[in-house]
Amino acid sequence: EIVLTQSPDFQSVTPREKVTITCRASQTIGSSLHWYQQKPDQSPKLLIKYASQSISGVPSRFSGAGSGTDFTLTINSLEAEDAATYYCHQSGALPHTFGQGTKLEI
Amino acid sequence: QVRLLESGPGLVKPSETLSLTCGVPPASISSYYWSWIRQPPGKGLEWIGYISNSGSATYNPSLKSRVTMSVDTSKSQFSLKLTSVTAADTAVFYCVGHVAGLRPMDHWGRGTLVIVSS
Repeated sequence: EIVLTQSPDFQSVTPREKVTITCRASQTIGSSLHWYQQKPDQSPKLLIKYASQSISGVPSRFSGAGSGTDFTLTINSLEAEDAATYYCHQSGALPHTFGQGTKLEI
Repeated sequence: QVRLLESGPGLVKPSETLSLTCGVPPASISSYYWSWIRQPPGKGLEWIGYISNSGSATYNPSLKSRVTMSVDTSKSQFSLKLTSVTAADTAVFYCVGHVAGLRPMDHWGRGTLVIVSS
């Protein structure tokens, strides 16, 4: 199966800061990489699909980039409501797999 | 947004079978593929498997020997059975809708916590 490794595991950040989370795949997956945000006691929410495609209703400060094996999620001008755990997910090959998560503390 | 609702026992004994159902809006049941994803307390996400709108199921090899999924379009719901559970199966279980087998997970239920304990 394809292993996704996120970094960092945890980051303490301040409002208005720019944050970048990386996700590295163990095999090439093209652009079949998606990002989710999970707030405490909530289900994950799709933020970015296919590496860089925006999702309706998601603030424009969230953006994604990358292809192949290396991907990034960038949050520009962080807001307090962005405190959450962020997961990457690959749909390039079965089984679907997720990164271990990156927790942002604000 | 497609609203999904998981239901089932919150407590299952070791070695028994965990059974969950996910209710889907009738207008959506035939339009999506349906996955189950679980999350042990304080841990990450694990895909269990999906079932297509035609009833064809695909499972994670790590759980394949213990998992059965089914869909009942007349009741607008799909189901998960996980046999021979242990404490390691304790998790929040999410039902999720997506457009096809290898696609992003678009629509998530609220999740239901299942504890395996005697």
